[in-house]
Amino acid sequence: DAGVIQSPRHEVTEMGQEVTLRCKPISGHNSLFWYRQTMMRGLELLIYFNNNVPIDDSGMPEDRFSAKMPNASFSTLKIQPSEPRDSAVYFCASSFGYSNQPQHFGDGTRLSIL
Amino acid sequence: GENVEQHPSTLSVQEGDSAVIKCTYSDSASNYFPWYKQELGKRPQLIIDIRSNVGEKKDQRIAVTLNKTAKHFSLHITETQPEDSAVYFCAASKGNQFYFGTGTSLTVIP
Repeated sequence: DAGVIQSPRHEVTEMGQEVTLRCKPISGHNSLFWYRQTMMRGLELLIYFNNNVPIDDSGMPEDRFSAKMPNASFSTLKIQPSEPRDSAVYFCASSFGYSNQPQHFGDGTRLSIL
Repeated sequence: GENVEQHPSTLSVQEGDSAVIKCTYSDSASNYFPWYKQELGKRPQLIIDIRSNVGEKKDQRIAVTLNKTAKHFSLHITETQPEDSAVYFCAASKGNQFYFGTGTSLTVIP
C-alpha cells in the first residue's frame, strides 16, 4: 500500500496567490482529515470527510480556506487568497470506519507564504 | 469538547533508561487513545493505541496504560535508544475526531 499521498511536498508562493493542496487517501479508507501543524498551535484539525461528505469544518480558520472531496480517492484544500500566517505544514490523514480507528498520515505539504 | 493535556513538553533521558509521557483528558465518553511519533520533518506515525475496554497494552519496548476513572493515560518506553528521539503526541477520541495533546519532545542521550 502506498499510504496517504500528498502533493506538493513543498510550496512557496507570494501573499495573495491561490494555493491548492492535494491528497489521495489510502484505498478503501472512507474518512479523510486535513490538519495544520505549527509550532505555536500544534496539530489542528481543519476539516474531515466521511464517505466524501464534509462532516465537521469548524476548524477551518476563515472563508479563505475551502476543501473538497469529489470522490473517494481525492481531496483538495484550497487557500485563496493566501497570507503569510497560513505558513505551516498541512497534513492529510485517512482512516477506515467511522469511529475509533487509527488515522494514517501523509508526508505533509510544507507551505510558505512570502 | 474534549481537552487533552500532555506532560512533560520536553524530556531528556540517558540511553537505556525508561521514558514516561502522561496525558489527561476531560470527556469521559472518549474511548480510543492512540499515540503518534513524529520525527523531525516527518509525518506523525501511529506507534500504539488502546481502547477503553483495556487497561494496558504492550508492544516490545512500548506500553500504554489507561486509567478511565482518573481520565489519564501514559506511554512508557523502556530501554530507550537514540532512534526513540522524536516528538510524541497523545490523542483522545470518541468518534471520528481525534483531539491531540501538545506533544512531548523526547531526547535520548547516547
